[in-house]
Amino acid sequence: GQNIDQPTEMTATEGAIVQINCTYQTSGFNGLFWYQQHAGEAPTFLSYNVLDGLEEKGRFSSFLSRSKGYSYLLLKELQMKDSASYLCAVNLGSNYQLIWGAGTKLIIKP
Amino acid sequence: DSGVTQTPKHLITATGQRVTLRCSPRSGDLSVYWYQQSLDQGLQFLIQYYNGEERAKGNILERFSAQQFPDLHSELNLSSLELGDSALYFCASSEDPGNTEAFFGQGTRLTVV
Repeated sequence: GQNIDQPTEMTATEGAIVQINCTYQTSGFNGLFWYQQHAGEAPTFLSYNVLDGLEEKGRFSSFLSRSKGYSYLLLKELQMKDSASYLCAVNLGSNYQLIWGAGTKLIIKP
Repeated sequence: DSGVTQTPKHLITATGQRVTLRCSPRSGDLSVYWYQQSLDQGLQFLIQYYNGEERAKGNILERFSAQQFPDLHSELNLSSLELGDSALYFCASSEDPGNTEAFFGQGTRLTVV
């Protein structure tokens, strides 16, 4: 079966750094997406990792280790607007299907 | 604005009824995806179409069906509705079937009473 695990909820302080982990066990792998979703709104694209390593994009970075079935999203200089759910999704590759994690709800406190 | 349009935004209907949700993808996008998101749950992939043809199928119930028309808009039909079908239904589109960023519509909130 396909399985993606993320922590259900995390809390962090404004201005700090937080790392949101995602582990996956899937029948195929052709890349991993991170999306941000504010409550009641549509998910928006953050990053896409295909190869191992760290990709930085402003305050957000995403890391992938294919051998470990592991990814993380690193958010720096946290702002109140970063309070949202963060979803990771694996591209299975064979039939272009994406498998989504349940999401991590990030709460930012002043 | 992602460029993906979903209608209606809200829908309230009774159990046993049938509804149709509509999605217009971004201009130039050939692939359309449908997702269901129940309260405080993750996204559940339902079905994907690419250029009018079904490309991938996820956890879509037999009571649900979808199609993509020649003008690339898509419709998701939900029939014999049950209380548990109450959810946000998202449509997303992308240029090709995979490996590219998908853009999501604002969703249709379906409430079955």
